[in-house]
Amino acid sequence: EAGVVQSPRYKIIEKKQPVAFWCNPISGHNTLYWYLQNLGQGPELLIRYENEEAVDDSQLPKDRFSAERLKGVDSTLKIQPAELGDSAVYLCASSLDGRNEQFFGPGTRLTVL
Amino acid sequence: AQRVTQPEKLLSVFKGAPVELKCNYSYSGSPELFWYVQYSRQRLQLLLRHISRESIKGFTADLNKGETSFHLKKPFAQEEDSAMYYCALGAYFGNEKLTFGTGTRLTIIP
Repeated sequence: EAGVVQSPRYKIIEKKQPVAFWCNPISGHNTLYWYLQNLGQGPELLIRYENEEAVDDSQLPKDRFSAERLKGVDSTLKIQPAELGDSAVYLCASSLDGRNEQFFGPGTRLTVL
Repeated sequence: AQRVTQPEKLLSVFKGAPVELKCNYSYSGSPELFWYVQYSRQRLQLLLRHISRESIKGFTADLNKGETSFHLKKPFAQEEDSAMYYCALGAYFGNEKLTFGTGTRLTIIP
């Protein structure tokens, strides 16, 4: 089993440019999470999906961040426009419905210049 | 509000010595506690969860509700234990978010 897949693994962009990250969860996992991990910090939840429904997006900065999970499988997280402070690792995780054990992807390291 | 505190950012221990990584939490409901580990160049992965009451790779952790702690322990450190360790808090009855601590980087000195 491949586990949670994320792409790209690394992305370097200039500020004010848009960027998108993609995540494919483990097959059969209904719950998908996007986390932000700043340097020296633990992961912080941005958004959680149950199937295609965003059930917790309270920490997502909606002025510039958006996410979708149209068919309840893979998901895309977008930032437009990116700011210098968005430089971080963006983690995707998935879990079986109703369980707390989460499986993480390798992350996307974003650098905004 | 949920909060997890890992007071040590860095911890160095000699091989063969005991290891204890501290974790304290704040939560008004019934907590479920986890330890996640990230080895060099690998993804974050679950090490153990308190409800399983297992010993994984020689590590154990006991939930102490009175002291609101979930310290991770191992009696004899091994070089392969060097990694980043994160304590995480979730809701026992729900499929809610995990709140992570800031992590402790454990280095085992040969």
